[in-house]
Amino acid sequence: DAKTTQPNSMESNEEEPVHLPCNHSTISGTDYIHWYRQLPSQGPEYVIHGLTSNVNNRMASLAIAEDRKSSTLILHRATLRDAAVYYCILRALLYGGATNKLIFGTGTLLAVQP
Amino acid sequence: NAGVMQNPRHLVRRRGQEARLRCSPMKGHSHVYWYRQLPEEGLKFMVYLQKENIIDESGMPKERFSAEFPKEGPSILRIQQVVRGDSAAYFCASSPETSGRWETQYFGPGTRLLVL
Repeated sequence: DAKTTQPNSMESNEEEPVHLPCNHSTISGTDYIHWYRQLPSQGPEYVIHGLTSNVNNRMASLAIAEDRKSSTLILHRATLRDAAVYYCILRALLYGGATNKLIFGTGTLLAVQP
Repeated sequence: NAGVMQNPRHLVRRRGQEARLRCSPMKGHSHVYWYRQLPEEGLKFMVYLQKENIIDESGMPKERFSAEFPKEGPSILRIQQVVRGDSAAYFCASSPETSGRWETQYFGPGTRLLVL
């Protein structure tokens, strides 16, 4: 799986937008970009994923660069509950019995100030 | 729909004892994954199982660790003769049947193992 690079930590103020960047310069054409987050003392949870086009869901938006070498997770209005480690993960299309494991990097620790 | 359940949530063992961690996947999910998170480290894949089959155990330590997902009942991660370095949070995730694509994994709350 291709490697991703994220800042170690970021800070935000409550109710302000947050842009979490991820670089993946060696991404292949069939790699999907996934984001998971891990709240303190909890298991990771899925946030969003995309391939080429920007994506929106109830949790966040995902902006993907035209060359796909980078992406940005956007939280439109950060709340204290959004304080977590955010992981950007590349996942290839798989067939047959190929493993479906997630490869986590170090992620970005997001702190949200009231 | 209940989420992924893990028990116990906390487990304390003395060196040399056995630890058994249980994971009940979400209803309808036939794929289970185990991950380990050592203190101050990231999550590492351990093993991927389908009902009665181990598909990928490339992340499992060679000795003392084993996993199973029987036809009936929860998946079990078993650690024999635990050592202090086994102290970690162990997370289980499940996903539905894979058919030529990846599937979102849904994680449980984890079991925090402390070896004294």
